[in-house]
Amino acid sequence: QKEVEQNSGPLSVPEGAIASLNCTYSDRGSQSFFWYRQYSGKSPELIMSIYSNGDKEDGRFTAQLNKASQYVSLLIRDSQPSDSATYLCAVNGGATNKLIFGTGTLLAVQP
Amino acid sequence: DVKVTQSSRYLVKRTGEKVFLECVQDMDHENMFWYRQDPGLGLRLIYFSYDVKMKEKGDIPEGYSVSREKKERFSLILESASTNQTSMYLCASSFVSAGDTIYFGEGSWLTVV
Repeated sequence: QKEVEQNSGPLSVPEGAIASLNCTYSDRGSQSFFWYRQYSGKSPELIMSIYSNGDKEDGRFTAQLNKASQYVSLLIRDSQPSDSATYLCAVNGGATNKLIFGTGTLLAVQP
Repeated sequence: DVKVTQSSRYLVKRTGEKVFLECVQDMDHENMFWYRQDPGLGLRLIYFSYDVKMKEKGDIPEGYSVSREKKERFSLILESASTNQTSMYLCASSFVSAGDTIYFGEGSWLTVV
């Protein structure tokens, strides 16, 4: 089992819809969770971090964490074509104390 | 704003050459990292450093070494480049806490021919 798993996609949503990106992790001791966005040919940039169970909202983005289910998600409301990118889930803490990345989900927002 | 600068963006090297990738950060971060990113494999940690002259192996250290002589600078060295080291290399830095965000440089695209 991979330490951090994401569906590779592509996830295709129409402009204005809600995009839902999901991530599961295996280390139950993990403490910190991050979502990065990566445009093609560019480096990852941080969108959200979340550390406790529940929802965290920042503009059109909402991160959701459920430690009991070892599940973290990212919702993007009112999706725009400029949101088209690969979204990387990263998990830190736990046994290794290293940041572990998923392989990313490719999001395509259709105009 | 955090600035992580990778001096070489695009390099083409020959098999067997020694390759240096340089990274500098301006936020006084204790931790620095080198990742490589390949299609379908995601980001994989090569080495990281939590202090000057300190280093630890990541998940794929074979064929690489690192140097951290100053806090702000972390170098990745390919002692004898091989074609399977063709990849995008990403440097990153963070403060010492495991919960702190890591910030990435713009990436170095290395092609070994």
